[in-house]
Amino acid sequence: DTAVSQTPKYLVTQMGNDKSIKCEQNLGHDTMYWYKQDSKKFLKIMFSYNNKELIINETVPNRFSPKSPDKAHLNLHINSLELGDSAVYFCASSQTYLGVNKFFGSGTRLTVV
Amino acid sequence: GENVEQHPSTLSVQEGDSAVIKCTYSDSASNYFPWYKQELGKRPQLIIDIRSNVGEKKDQRIAVTLNKTAKHFSLHITETQPEDSAVYFCAATSNTNAGKSTFGDGTTLTVKP
Repeated sequence: DTAVSQTPKYLVTQMGNDKSIKCEQNLGHDTMYWYKQDSKKFLKIMFSYNNKELIINETVPNRFSPKSPDKAHLNLHINSLELGDSAVYFCASSQTYLGVNKFFGSGTRLTVV
Repeated sequence: GENVEQHPSTLSVQEGDSAVIKCTYSDSASNYFPWYKQELGKRPQLIIDIRSNVGEKKDQRIAVTLNKTAKHFSLHITETQPEDSAVYFCAATSNTNAGKSTFGDGTTLTVKP
């Protein structure tokens, strides 16, 4: 059983399109995250949800809109994709908002052409 | 906000040698310090963590030390093996900032056989 699963694994799309990435965790964790890893491998937090409530919202363009229908799911919708959005996006979850035992999904490689 | 600096950015060692990666942080409220290993094309994986009320923690060949006064923490890997080759990230987490984890920029460790 995959603990944190995200789909799709790869996403190639044209500039200006809208796309979504889905994430689900079966660990019973309260907190879920979206991270962006750029070409230099830097890992940056984008959003964090605790029990469906947004608790961290970093300086991210408002073209990015997360949604958590329940504490096991966190989706990311991106409008009007730009070349600079190309990156690997990781979903993660942790037991509590303190980030202990954080478990990452396998990532979604987004390429905008 | 929190600032985490990680050094060195690249580290090459001979199999069997030790490797040390160091991180400094700026926010004295940070109290949880995880380390992640990311193999090429894979997700980051938690390998060890330490809380602020502990000075050292060891798990087989890896250990982490924390100096709260100096605001730095280090990862030590002994008897390195080629499979230890990966990118290692440190992070500092503060529960006064919704549990936000700030990551270091990563260290690429290469263990030569």
